Amino acid sequence: DADVTQTPRNRITKTGKRIMLECSQTKGHDRMYWYRQDPGLGLRLIYYSFDVKDINKGEISDGYSVSRQAQAKFSLSLESAIPNQTALYFCATSAHLGTNTGELFFGEGSRLTVL
Amino acid sequence: AQSVTQLDSQVPVFEEAPVELRCNYSSSVSVYLFWYVQYPNQGLQLLLKYLSGSTLVKGINGFEAEFNKSQTSFHLRKPSVHISDTAEYFCAVSRVQGAQKLVFGQGTRLTINP
Repeated sequence: DADVTQTPRNRITKTGKRIMLECSQTKGHDRMYWYRQDPGLGLRLIYYSFDVKDINKGEISDGYSVSRQAQAKFSLSLESAIPNQTALYFCATSAHLGTNTGELFFGEGSRLTVL
Repeated sequence: AQSVTQLDSQVPVFEEAPVELRCNYSSSVSVYLFWYVQYPNQGLQLLLKYLSGSTLVKGINGFEAEFNKSQTSFHLRKPSVHISDTAEYFCAVSRVQGAQKLVFGQGTRLTINP
């Protein structure tokens, strides 16, 4: 089983719909992240969380929200999806402070299409 | 803040030829450097990383990278590529001190032609 699991892997939805992407991890890491990948733009950070009570905005948080339900679970929500949120979304984890180098461990991605 | 620039969006090479993927970074503080690889329809996996010590870093699948502080570069090289190296490669940087968040470059798509 994968250490970082994302569901769903693929989703097609319509403009205005609410969408939730879920992420769970078995690595025991404190830190979790949501990135968005677009062609030619690399990966951009949407939100990150350093522990259950900590939520931080990344560089492109507008239109998104997150919930850290437990150390192992971090979900990303699009309250009202729009077509320019069509992208490949990645969840990632990293180790806790003291051993953290910034190295990330990624899920396999969730491809979202908003029509 | 840190930033990363990958100088080539696409690099086509012939099989068994050498390849270099270029990466430059900008930071006012000390950094860690990474190369990740994304094979088609997969997530990202770590290829290699520079944390400290020797500036020549060896990774998986025969890749290596050299950290050059004066030129703020971390170029990725392989002496002889294989068809299976076809993928997208991302350079990334995180600061050594403080809240480490990985900042990625735009990616370089490596295409190997037979």
